[in-house]
Amino acid sequence: VQLVESGGGLAQPGGSLRLSCAASGFTFSNYEMNWVRQAPGKGLEWLSYISSSGTTIYYADSVKGRFTIFRDNAKNSLHLQMSSLRVEDTAVYYCARGWVWNAIPYFDYWGQGTRVTVSS
Amino acid sequence: DIQMTQSPSSLSASVGDRVTITCRASQSINTFLNWYQQAPGKAPKLLMFAASTLDSGVPSRFSGSGSGTDFTLTISNLQPTDFQTYYCQQSHSTPFTFGQGTRLEIK
Repeated sequence: VQLVESGGGLAQPGGSLRLSCAASGFTFSNYEMNWVRQAPGKGLEWLSYISSSGTTIYYADSVKGRFTIFRDNAKNSLHLQMSSLRVEDTAVYYCARGWVWNAIPYFDYWGQGTRVTVSS
Repeated sequence: DIQMTQSPSSLSASVGDRVTITCRASQSINTFLNWYQQAPGKAPKLLMFAASTLDSGVPSRFSGSGSGTDFTLTISNLQPTDFQTYYCQQSHSTPFTFGQGTRLEIK
């Protein structure tokens, strides 16, 4: 299993970025996926969930209306379109594969992360 | 939203010690509780899910317990590789909130 994020970098407040997560080593279309971020020196913050088919999506309040999660199962890729970026969105962004055991979800594999810096 | 509170926020211990980290949920989450381990500058790694089930390959010196609102992660016979940061996470309902983390340091 490998998850490789890309697309991070420097963005201005109010700007946009699109993050991608390339998946390999497993049948991507069978798995739920998530985005989690970690601000510098801070803890983990769950951002968004997408079901295996892409039909069910959830967001944290902190990004709802600004970020959009989507996936391309044909290309084994997950994306996070980020707009109206704020300084407080500065963080390392991780994609994480979701799995469910006895109806209990958890994140069993994580990418290495991509760094996003929002600054003028 | 369900709030997750970990304690302590940091902990000093020696190789060979036994330590316990606690995690409390703001409402009952049954056993929808997962633990992750994170080394500095690295991605988190799944340690345990469903409160007490070790992920594949995780040493048996790690153990978890709890149900409802109170949970514990215990590490016995601490090894040098265990000195990392540990996070609990509830997966009972979105947002899937994490605890603030517990940094385990070498004494």
